[in-house]
Amino acid sequence: GNSVTQMQGQVTLSEEEFLFINCTYSTTGYPTLFWYVQYPGEGPQLLLKVTTANNKGSSRGFEATYDKGTTSFHLQKASVQESDSAVYYCVLGDGQGGRALIFGTGTTVSVSP
Amino acid sequence: AQTIHQWPVAEIKAVGSPLSLGCTIKGKSSPNLYWYWQATGGTLQQLFYSITVGQVESVVQLNLSASRPKDDQFILSTEKLLLSHSGFYLCAWTGLGGLAEQFFGPGTRLTVL
Repeated sequence: GNSVTQMQGQVTLSEEEFLFINCTYSTTGYPTLFWYVQYPGEGPQLLLKVTTANNKGSSRGFEATYDKGTTSFHLQKASVQESDSAVYYCVLGDGQGGRALIFGTGTTVSVSP
Repeated sequence: AQTIHQWPVAEIKAVGSPLSLGCTIKGKSSPNLYWYWQATGGTLQQLFYSITVGQVESVVQLNLSASRPKDDQFILSTEKLLLSHSGFYLCAWTGLGGLAEQFFGPGTRLTVL
C-alpha cells in the first residue's frame, strides 16, 4: 500500500546551520507530495506542495524536490532560525477518494540560538 | 477567506462517559471534511472523511463515530470513552479532490481519566 517514511525522529541544530530532512515514499502512479509543519498545541499547516508537473517547491526558505527515480522528497533549508523549531511531516496525497493524505511519522527539529 | 473552528478547545472526561467534538467551516461551500487523531508525540491518523452532507466514511475504527449534519459542520462522538481516546483531535477541510492540500483546524485536546 501507500506509505511515507521519515527515518529521522529528531534533528538538533544551531541557528544558521543547514537543515536536511529525509523522506521516501511508496505508491503507484505519480502522487502529489506535501510538507506540513506543526507547532506545539496547533494543527499542522502546509509548508509546501509539489506535483509531478513542477517537481520542486519552495516556501519561507525551505525547498523540496520530487525525485521519482529514488522516490524521495527531501526537505532542506540553507540557514535555520530558532523560529523553525517544530515538527515537520512528509505527506503523501494518494488521491484515493476522500482519504487523500498519508502522514509520515514526523521529524522534530530543534534549533538553538 | 475560509475559517475553521473546533470546539471545545480542551476536554477532560472520565472513562465510560460520552463525547461530542465539533468542527465548523465558514466561507467554503461543499468542502471535503476530515477527522484526524494524534497521540501525544505521534503522527496524524485519519479517522473519517465526508464528501457531502449525510455521508461519512470510516478510515480507522477506534470506537468513534462521525456525522455531517450540515454542509459546514462535522461532528465526532462516542457513547463510551476509553483511556486510549486521549489525544489531539484535528478537523481538516479541502475544496478539491484527493490531491489538494488540507487545511487544519486548531484542534481539541482530549484527556480521558
